[in-house]
Amino acid sequence: GESVGLHLPTLSVQEGDNSIINCAYSNSASDYFIWYKQESGKGPQFIIDIRSNMDKRQGQRVTVLLNKTVKHLSLQIAATQPGDSAVYFCAETIAAGNKLTFGGGTRVLVKP
Amino acid sequence: ETGVTQTPRHLVMGMTNKKSLKCEQHLGHNAMYWYKQSAKKPLELMFVYNFKEQTENNSVPSRFSPECPNSSHLFLHLHTLQPEDSALYLCASSQDNRVGGYTFGSGTRLTVV
Repeated sequence: GESVGLHLPTLSVQEGDNSIINCAYSNSASDYFIWYKQESGKGPQFIIDIRSNMDKRQGQRVTVLLNKTVKHLSLQIAATQPGDSAVYFCAETIAAGNKLTFGGGTRVLVKP
Repeated sequence: ETGVTQTPRHLVMGMTNKKSLKCEQHLGHNAMYWYKQSAKKPLELMFVYNFKEQTENNSVPSRFSPECPNSSHLFLHLHTLQPEDSALYLCASSQDNRVGGYTFGSGTRLTVV
């Protein structure tokens, strides 16, 4: 079946540097994508979303890029902080539906 | 707290036990979900409820039995589980099935012994 996957299981980054987390998706019908952050002992929290009619969307210190040609999604975190240490998931769906397909997750470790 | 409360936070049960997980949302949402999160596996959707009606059962074994008495409460009844069912069980809610509006609870860490 079609699925969402992540390239790197663990990302170590120096505090203050930028982080880039990548995600590949295979369902060409997906038109809505979301990044979630999951801290230890907590459920996933919404970070940012993007619709397929956009290539880029910015939030506070985070940017999501969507490349529909190669079915690739990325999350950029600027000036990574210790509080950014978590597992990050991408998820996809068809906006009209309610079934999210999650990727496997990438753990981000911020080194002081 | 995110507005979605799950109890208990941790549960250890034997394979012959019967237990229930509870989820309550205080957000006025009308859709609720159960997800399973295992080590090294993506989040797996189990059940979806819209306006108290089950709209999706993602091929979940019958030893997991959901119940949604109203739009604010969701239960997952467990019986005769297997050790491989040990996982973090997450509840989520949203308004009008808008996935961007998913709010997750903190989950119940289940260990089957």
